[in-house]
Amino acid sequence: DADVTQTPRNRITKTGKRIMLECSQTKGHDRMYWYRQDPGLGLQLIYYSFDVKDINKGEISDGYSVSRQAQAKFSLSLESAIPNQTALYFCATSGTGVVNNEQFFGPGTRLTVL
Amino acid sequence: QKEVEQNSGPLSVPEGAIASLNCTYSDRGSQSFFWYRQYSGKSPELIMFIYSNGDKEDGRFTAQLNKASQYVSLLIRDSQPSDSATYLCAVKMGGGSNYKLTFGKGTLLTVNP
Repeated sequence: DADVTQTPRNRITKTGKRIMLECSQTKGHDRMYWYRQDPGLGLQLIYYSFDVKDINKGEISDGYSVSRQAQAKFSLSLESAIPNQTALYFCATSGTGVVNNEQFFGPGTRLTVL
Repeated sequence: QKEVEQNSGPLSVPEGAIASLNCTYSDRGSQSFFWYRQYSGKSPELIMFIYSNGDKEDGRFTAQLNKASQYVSLLIRDSQPSDSATYLCAVKMGGGSNYKLTFGKGTLLTVNP
């Protein structure tokens, strides 16, 4: 009964291909995030969305685009994949409470671009 | 640029010892602080959050916050091999509704049997 799901879990693709990573959540959260993680570099924010009509660029948005199809769905696209986009990608969600605002992560998608 | 700094490690402790993980942050206005544990190849999972100065205890874990020194730490008592993981410090930055979590790069902890 995962609250945050990601598909696919693993993907190998070739340079120049278009790739879409999908994220769904059943937590009822308004806020959703996409991160990539590379060894030694921690989590880097790609895009984030505070609601269906509010999408914002993160630290490393170049080469990526997103779509917030519904409150529960947030997709990340690589229009033309390149090898340095090989990484572990995480989707996360959070609520809008005043105090805590912790983020809950999906299981991740391991993407390899050859 | 607002930053969160952690020692990358690895931090190696024997089983049963206390592991101490440290984190400093640059935004003096930060209000909420989080510790995540991440096993290799897995997603981060929340261990604790703290937003008041002082200590907060939860089982074997204690989070400590000192806003004047812009410092937050995580102590793990009676460390177990299963605690071996990367620990990520995250800080809520930004005011009002326009906030984000900024993550440190993580500290790798190894607990030796």
